[in-house]
Amino acid sequence: SQQGEEDPQALSIQEGENATMNCSYKTSINNLQWYRQNSGRGLVHLILIRSNEREKHSGRLRVTLDTSKKSSSLLITASRAADTASYFCATDEDSGTYKYIFGTGTRLKVLA
Amino acid sequence: ETGVTQTPRHLVMGMTNKKSLKCEQHLGHNAMYWYKQSAKKPLELMFVYNFKEQTENNSVPSRFSPECPNSSHLFLHLHTLQPEDSALYLCASSTMGQPQHFGDGTRLSIL
Repeated sequence: SQQGEEDPQALSIQEGENATMNCSYKTSINNLQWYRQNSGRGLVHLILIRSNEREKHSGRLRVTLDTSKKSSSLLITASRAADTASYFCATDEDSGTYKYIFGTGTRLKVLA
Repeated sequence: ETGVTQTPRHLVMGMTNKKSLKCEQHLGHNAMYWYKQSAKKPLELMFVYNFKEQTENNSVPSRFSPECPNSSHLFLHLHTLQPEDSALYLCASSTMGQPQHFGDGTRLSIL
């Protein structure tokens, strides 16, 4: 299975609600990144969390990392219709290389 | 605007055609990547180049041939493709340990 696997695969919420998506991985990492992809576009980097960090914030985004469980979560607070997109986690599989492994993503739909 | 430009945005080709995808970045990054994105599948890493040298070939069929003439440009040469090669092909660039910057991709359709 993939290094990064997101859960759930799809999520539908009302505007103003919080959205939480999870990512699990299998090997040791240096950092974990979250990306967003709008339909028909490339991926856009949201936040990077290093293996020695447990939590990181950026605006309405909050990312946690639990290296003992090999998992991460992305929380989007006070969601907006513009947050509708697919969200991916990516991990650096090998130390000292440029290789990143992405999961299948979570498709988030925020209803106005 | 991510700083990574891919052309063309859409490409329709027959199985016997030869075409090339182009990617360009002027972000000063030394690594460039090709990914394949198919529906309901994880993003598949195809190739990685670091300072023009190929450092990763993820068991990609030889009908895909990458070329990296310098750190700013990356090409993917296509020939004799199969219908299952229809997908969104994404290019990205980065420096070590830093986030990747993606282009908007080329939507490839094989007839």
